[in-house]
Amino acid sequence: GDSVTQMEGPVTLSEEAFLTINCTYTATGYPSLFWYVQYPGEGLQLLLKATKADDKGSNKGFEATYRKETTSFHLEKGSVQVSDSAVYFCVGGATNKLIFGTGTLLAVQP
Amino acid sequence: DTEVTQTPKHLVMGMTNKKSLKCEQHMGHRAMYWYKQKAKKPPELMFVYSYEKLSINESVPSRFSPECPNSSLLNLHLHALQPEDSALYLCASSHPGVGGETQYFGPGTRLLVL
Repeated sequence: GDSVTQMEGPVTLSEEAFLTINCTYTATGYPSLFWYVQYPGEGLQLLLKATKADDKGSNKGFEATYRKETTSFHLEKGSVQVSDSAVYFCVGGATNKLIFGTGTLLAVQP
Repeated sequence: DTEVTQTPKHLVMGMTNKKSLKCEQHMGHRAMYWYKQKAKKPPELMFVYSYEKLSINESVPSRFSPECPNSSLLNLHLHALQPEDSALYLCASSHPGVGGETQYFGPGTRLLVL
């Protein structure tokens, strides 16, 4: 079945550091791909999405490119802030169900 | 407006209580979802409603009873819950379709069963 694999956390960075969270997917077709963010004590917020190969999703300085050849959708940000501390979920959506990765906790220290 | 609202924000209930969780959206979405999320885990799908009809029940125990009174509202009725049902309950909505539609999540109801 379809699955999404993302890097284990926690990831601890200093403010202004470069962020990469790896995500790969396994699917029979080409799913839409999403990154959702969950701040402490809150629900999930859509961060960005891509619906087809070579699409780049971007929002709030974060970006991810849908790479069909490597089945990947890595999340990047050039300079993280303390306020980016949260759990990040890579998610695939090829059917009427979302397939969630396990989540990566990001802690940014001042 | 991409807002999904949920009430209450927090709920504490005993194992013999009956309570309800409410979810509302005004984005014109015709698919609505209930998820359960335990600490440090991703959300797990419980139910899907499409055009106000239950389309997916992920083998959820009958002590959880969903209801979709109209296209904007989704309820989850709770009865005789167990302590292991304590979790964050998330509602989401989307346009219905064959797959890949963006789901918008509410802030959740944090439930504690004593």
